Amino acid sequence: AQSVTQLGSHVSVSEGALVLLRCNYSSSVPPYLFWYVQYPNQGLQLLLKYTSAATLVKGINGFEAEFKKSETSFHLTKPSAHMSDAAEYFCAVSEYGNQFYFGTGTSLTVIP
Amino acid sequence: DTGVSQDPRHKITKRGQNVTFRCDPISEHNRLYWYRQTLGQGPEFLTYFQNEAQLEKSRLLSDRFSAERPKGSFSTLEIQRTEQGDSAMYLCASSLVAGVSYEQYFGPGTRLTVT
Repeated sequence: AQSVTQLGSHVSVSEGALVLLRCNYSSSVPPYLFWYVQYPNQGLQLLLKYTSAATLVKGINGFEAEFKKSETSFHLTKPSAHMSDAAEYFCAVSEYGNQFYFGTGTSLTVIP
Repeated sequence: DTGVSQDPRHKITKRGQNVTFRCDPISEHNRLYWYRQTLGQGPEFLTYFQNEAQLEKSRLLSDRFSAERPKGSFSTLEIQRTEQGDSAMYLCASSLVAGVSYEQYFGPGTRLTVT
């Protein structure tokens, strides 16, 4: 069965500090993995995706994520947080590209 | 490309009433998904279409819920005899399945409040 666990429902970082949002997945086959961002009163926007190519994936707005099969993880990072990064972040997994399972989300606060 | 649109954006209804939501996907996209999102949770898969065929439905989806995509373009989601537990944000997403690309593009959602 597919599932996603996002550790830490709330993360606070100072502006300019490293952002690290954690995602662990469960899948019986090599998965497709995604990170989405959701700003208040808006739909989800794709940040980046892993589809069995390079394990280090670069996305929009300076975010990147590394697929680690041995750790079943797909953590999202950004070297330097910006105030505009404050939002809700969701990790998602799909085994065959049909059903997608989302984590419960991590709310990122950026402190000036 | 105007993105995925959903109508209405907000719906308030009384318990027991039927409601219908519409989703217009990105025009060339062949897949369309419906999700439900409640406060503090991630989107929960409800169902998806490939063109006009409904390929999968969540086992959690009540018989009161029905979705259609009659011509493989827009889709409707109907909830019959609404209950207070149906209050949520209903999200629609579309994608163009090609190779290994499964990027979903989400609409702004329809917020349903059942009183």
